[in-house]
Amino acid sequence: DGGITQSPKYLFRKEGQNVTLSCEQNLNHDAMYWYRQDPGQGLRLIYYSQIVNDFQKGDIAEGYSVSREKKESFPLTVTSAQKNPTAFYLCASHNRRGGGVHGYTFGSGTRLTVV
Amino acid sequence: AQSVSQHNHHVILSEAASLELGCNYSYGGTVNLFWYVQYPGQHLQLLLKYFSGDPLVKGIKGFEAEFIKSKFSFNLRKPSVQWSDTAEYFCAVNVRNRDDKIIFGKGTRLHILP
Repeated sequence: DGGITQSPKYLFRKEGQNVTLSCEQNLNHDAMYWYRQDPGQGLRLIYYSQIVNDFQKGDIAEGYSVSREKKESFPLTVTSAQKNPTAFYLCASHNRRGGGVHGYTFGSGTRLTVV
Repeated sequence: AQSVSQHNHHVILSEAASLELGCNYSYGGTVNLFWYVQYPGQHLQLLLKYFSGDPLVKGIKGFEAEFIKSKFSFNLRKPSVQWSDTAEYFCAVNVRNRDDKIIFGKGTRLHILP
């Protein structure tokens, strides 16, 4: 079945460490997105990529980095510069053809905890 | 800047009550509108969407939403809720043919009492 796979489901990080969250999709979608979900804050956009080898900052990009070397993959690195990294991270993808009417497909998320 | 406002952060209803969750957006151009649902422990799912045509759209599980352009609103409704509707609901807006970003509201946590 086509979908988005995020791994790991749970991740613990020590302060000062960088960690990378994986996101893979087999939907042949051009666009991929990373959101951060915090209680009472909804989903806030971190980074997004509309084509391979290109990406743009979202609303809360500071302390994060991404790469898009393959269409299927859009990993997110949470760096030590991110002041409050403990959160639930959601990856999404989207078929840009069709004028945006199809919405996004979401992965099941990674819960990151800094210890 | 685009924004999406959901009026209620937390709603508690009894089974069989009627539901209406408010959503307003700030952008004046042509938009696509969505409601997503996140059941406990599950990932976000698309509940319904509006992009053109009949402003009253029907989604899964008996939900519907009405787009009122003059009010910049896209409220979600269900005539009779069930305990299984307990979830968090997100309204979202996408500016058509722009950069494909979807802007989400902060969510409404719905709790249905059995």
